[in-house]
Amino acid sequence: GENVEQHPSTLSVQEGDSAVIKCTYSDSASNYFPWYKQELGKGPQLIIDIRSNVGEKKDQRIAVTLNKTAKHFSLHITETQPEDSAVYFCAASIRGSQGNLIFGKGTKLSVKP
Amino acid sequence: GAGVSQTPSNKVTEKGKYVELRCDPISGHTALYWYRQSLGQGPEFLIYFQGTGAADDSGLPNDRFFAVRPEGSVSTLKIQRTERGDSAVYLCASSLSGLDGYTFGSGTRLTVV
Repeated sequence: GENVEQHPSTLSVQEGDSAVIKCTYSDSASNYFPWYKQELGKGPQLIIDIRSNVGEKKDQRIAVTLNKTAKHFSLHITETQPEDSAVYFCAASIRGSQGNLIFGKGTKLSVKP
Repeated sequence: GAGVSQTPSNKVTEKGKYVELRCDPISGHTALYWYRQSLGQGPEFLIYFQGTGAADDSGLPNDRFFAVRPEGSVSTLKIQRTERGDSAVYLCASSLSGLDGYTFGSGTRLTVV
């Protein structure tokens, strides 16, 4: 079955710097890749997603890139702010957004003011 | 409602007892998902409903776990003969059609003592 690896497990950056989180997946049939932000005591919140027919997607300070050949995708956060501090999860699905998601283990991002 | 509501937010039960966890999805959302999240891990898929029927229950770990959604709205996850290893946060999510990204609730933290 699908396996999603996520790196790094922790990331500390200075406010205003960029942060990059990387994920790899094993099943080449995966076609939907969402990213979630989870704050303490809350459920994961969808922040951006990308489908396999697109190589890059951007939403204000957040962007995601997908390399289907290498089977990896990345989250880029620019101009980081303290409120970006949270745990970020990548996920993959072989049935689009309708299917069950296989999640990575998460990256704890700390943005220092 | 405005978001996915899960009750109770916390549940402590003794080993061997039966528990029910409730999920109220966003009004009108036809797709509903249950996930389980252990400490320091990403969410793990349990079951997916499209309307009243379970479209995919491949994530249920064993026959002690069962979920229903009789009227296509509220769902209940039922766990029989609870074990300490069942301790986790149980997350519910819903989406409008299953073809778009989904919204998670804040979860029910289940502790089996």
